[in-house]
Amino acid sequence: ETGVTQSPTHLIKTRGQQVTLRCSSQSGHNTVSWYQQALGQGPQFIFQYYREEENGRGNFPPRFSGLQFPNYSSELNVNALELDDSALYLCASSLKASAYSSSYEQYFGPGTRLTVT
Amino acid sequence: AQSVTQLGSHVSVSEGALVLLRCNYSSSVPPYLFWYVQYPNQGLQLLLKYTSAATLVKGINGFEAEFKKSETSFHLTKPSAHMSDAAEYFCAVSRKGQGGGGNKLTFGTGTQLKVEL
Repeated sequence: ETGVTQSPTHLIKTRGQQVTLRCSSQSGHNTVSWYQQALGQGPQFIFQYYREEENGRGNFPPRFSGLQFPNYSSELNVNALELDDSALYLCASSLKASAYSSSYEQYFGPGTRLTVT
Repeated sequence: AQSVTQLGSHVSVSEGALVLLRCNYSSSVPPYLFWYVQYPNQGLQLLLKYTSAATLVKGINGFEAEFKKSETSFHLTKPSAHMSDAAEYFCAVSRKGQGGGGNKLTFGTGTQLKVEL
């Protein structure tokens, strides 16, 4: 069983640039959630994708966007990067029976450390 | 709205001593509750979960937690600390039967556990 993988591991970008982070979900999972973890803080929910559709969003501006592909892998895109976007970005996959159900467990990847200068 | 409060951002114990990490939650509906552990420069690993079965939940690495509705608490314990337990621990809550809109995890700010010889 392959776990959740994320790429790249580390990334340095300049303010105003755009970035794409990638996540491969665990085998058999159909749902991907993205979280932002600033230094010294708990993770904050960005959004969730279920079967290629956005299925919930946290308090993040529209310049944070995502995609989920037919194989359930996912991308997180951030436009117009700001210094405060520097954080660890975590992807978590889970299995949901439907868009309206809850999953008991989310399995996290190792994260992508984004630094904006 | 849901929230989690972790009392004590830093906890220090001696090797072999009891570990107690505190978590209180707020939720308008029955919650699912989780404890995750994060080692430096890594993602989150699920320690244990409460999903309304037994109120005393046993997890990996000798950890357990008890759901107390009257106290809105879900404290994490381990009878005997080991050096390898040194890490950051996060309590998280999601809503049971959340319906449409995903099943986001709301995390506390974390407790850094230090284990001393």
